[in-house]
Amino acid sequence: EAAVTQSPRNKVTVTGGNVTLSCRQTNSHNYMYWYRQDTGHGLRLIHYSYGAGNLQIGDVPDGYKATRTTQEDFFLLLELASPSQTSLYFCASSDAGLGGHEQYFGPGTRLTVL
Amino acid sequence: GDKVKQSPSALSLQEGTNSALRCNFSIAATTVQWFLQNPRGSLINLFYLVPGTKENGRLKSAFDSKESYSTLHIRDAQLEDSGTYFCAADRANTNKVVFGTGTRLQVLP
Repeated sequence: EAAVTQSPRNKVTVTGGNVTLSCRQTNSHNYMYWYRQDTGHGLRLIHYSYGAGNLQIGDVPDGYKATRTTQEDFFLLLELASPSQTSLYFCASSDAGLGGHEQYFGPGTRLTVL
Repeated sequence: GDKVKQSPSALSLQEGTNSALRCNFSIAATTVQWFLQNPRGSLINLFYLVPGTKENGRLKSAFDSKESYSTLHIRDAQLEDSGTYFCAADRANTNKVVFGTGTRLQVLP
């Protein structure tokens, strides 16, 4: 049974639109992450959280907000979507161990901004 | 600059042959993770390593933190090994993981 789920799996919106991407994990992990994947860039970290109510800035945060409502749920918000935010978005969860963070990914959400 | 550099960027192999993929780090990395992104886009966990080696079936990975690199060896490549391989390094003293840009592997019959 999938431990990290994302919804929706596909989304099309227009420039200026308001979009919320959802992620839920059942791994009982403390850390959750949002990444975007674009050709030539691999995965880049947008925001992450180490617990309910916590939010940390990633490497490419501009134009994105995020909120961690519970240990299980992490949301990514695009309040004024732009075509440059067309991308494949992944959510991941991890727990600190072995001096690092082994990441477990959801299936991804493909977002198109027209 | 590129903090995690993967090589080669693309590779074609005949079925049944062997290959090695490499990641070089310009950051202090404490652990390394290898993923396969399959043609459907799913990211599949292959290895999670502290310095040392791990083996799983036809795959073997090594991580040398002093020399700042990691390798993934594929033995007896099969068609289902096709996809894009990513390495990701846990950046020391942060809670962040940095990804390489991937190696696209095509296994030919």
